[in-house]
Amino acid sequence: LAKTTQPISMDSYEGQEVNITCSHNNIATNDYITWYQQFPSQGPRFIIQGYKTKVTNEVASLFIPADRKSSTLSLPRVSLSDTAVYYCLVGDRGGATNKLIFGTGTLLAVQP
Amino acid sequence: SAVISQKPSRDICQRGTSLTIQCQVDSQVTMMFWYRQQPGQSLTLIATANQGSEATYESGFVIDKFPISRPNLTFSTLTVSNLSPEDSSIYLCSAALRAGHEQYFGPGTRLTVT
Repeated sequence: LAKTTQPISMDSYEGQEVNITCSHNNIATNDYITWYQQFPSQGPRFIIQGYKTKVTNEVASLFIPADRKSSTLSLPRVSLSDTAVYYCLVGDRGGATNKLIFGTGTLLAVQP
Repeated sequence: SAVISQKPSRDICQRGTSLTIQCQVDSQVTMMFWYRQQPGQSLTLIATANQGSEATYESGFVIDKFPISRPNLTFSTLTVSNLSPEDSSIYLCSAALRAGHEQYFGPGTRLTVT
């Protein structure tokens, strides 16, 4: 099973770019990497998903190196409202749900 | 996308009783999941709710303790049985159009067992 680890917390300032890395050394061939954002008292919300190289959408970029043993979520120009916990999830698109393993989560604190 | 609602949003239950949590999706989905999240901690998958058949439980979770129903493609229930204080947690429902794809989460149910 792909165990995932993340930094417990990160601090940033408004307008800066933030990079959060997730380590998943045992990732398997069929596994995808997904990142979620969670605010207090809410369920997680999807940010981005990727398999390899780089994926970009309107809110974030996801960088995955060739060996896929880690991934980096990049948030451009963060604002105070980006203060939240960010989780990476390694999951199998083949439907093997015992591989839906959330990371430990990173609390991002954005200051003015 | 899909919008997920859960009922109740929170409850306080006595030891030895049971609580049933309902999860409603506003569209038909293939996959529905139940998670547990201790305050300040990550999410742990309890089981996959399968439409028309028994749920698939993850290691450490059993049907007698966490019976799950999924009568159709938009609705599921999770019951937490024979409650103990260790069951105090947040329980989250999620749904996905296909396996491994983006999950949409409900707001969660906060359970406190006294």
